[in-house]
Amino acid sequence: GQQLNQSPQSMFIQEGEDVSMNCTSSSIFNTWLWYKQDPGEGPVLLIALYKAGELTSNGRLTAQFGITRKDSFLNISASIPSDVGIYFCAGQPGNSGNTPLVFGKGTRLSVIA
Amino acid sequence: DTEVTQTPKHLVMGMTNKKSLKCEQHMGHRAMYWYKQKAKKPPELMFVYSYEKLSINESVPSRFSPECPNSSLLNLHLHALQPEDSALYLCASSLATSYNEQFFGPGTRLTVL
Repeated sequence: GQQLNQSPQSMFIQEGEDVSMNCTSSSIFNTWLWYKQDPGEGPVLLIALYKAGELTSNGRLTAQFGITRKDSFLNISASIPSDVGIYFCAGQPGNSGNTPLVFGKGTRLSVIA
Repeated sequence: DTEVTQTPKHLVMGMTNKKSLKCEQHMGHRAMYWYKQKAKKPPELMFVYSYEKLSINESVPSRFSPECPNSSLLNLHLHALQPEDSALYLCASSLATSYNEQFFGPGTRLTVL
């Protein structure tokens, strides 16, 4: 089946630093979504991307849908302690309109105050 | 109301018990999903309901039985579970299966003894 390669697997950063993570695939995707999950909670949708090349911001978060439709990145600027959590990318494969979402394995972010 | 709610928050059950997980949304979404999530792993799709009909069953064992009584409610009936079924069970909803923005509930933490 389709796979998403998400990197890095984990990050330790100082408060105030910028963060970048990405997802790549060998096949094209129609949609890219970025979620954040806190321990013991459900994933929360941060940003949704629907067009190749699209760049979307949500506060300190910025995400882009890669031109090739095979990748996406998420940037967090000026990190703060509450940014700690696991970030998942998810995408809908490009071969069918109703194909279930595929999830990356997650990036675990730790912020050192 | 922009929430997906799940009850109970935590559940401990023996292998011979029968229990049910409940999920509710009042956003008018017509697609609802059950996911299973193990620690440090991404959510894993179990079932998809579209307009109250089961549209995807990802080869889930019959000891898990989903039910969609109406467009706002989704249940997961559990019977004769195994310890390896212990996980966070997440419910999600979207406008329709062709709309990829899925909104997750907080999950039910299930422990099978």
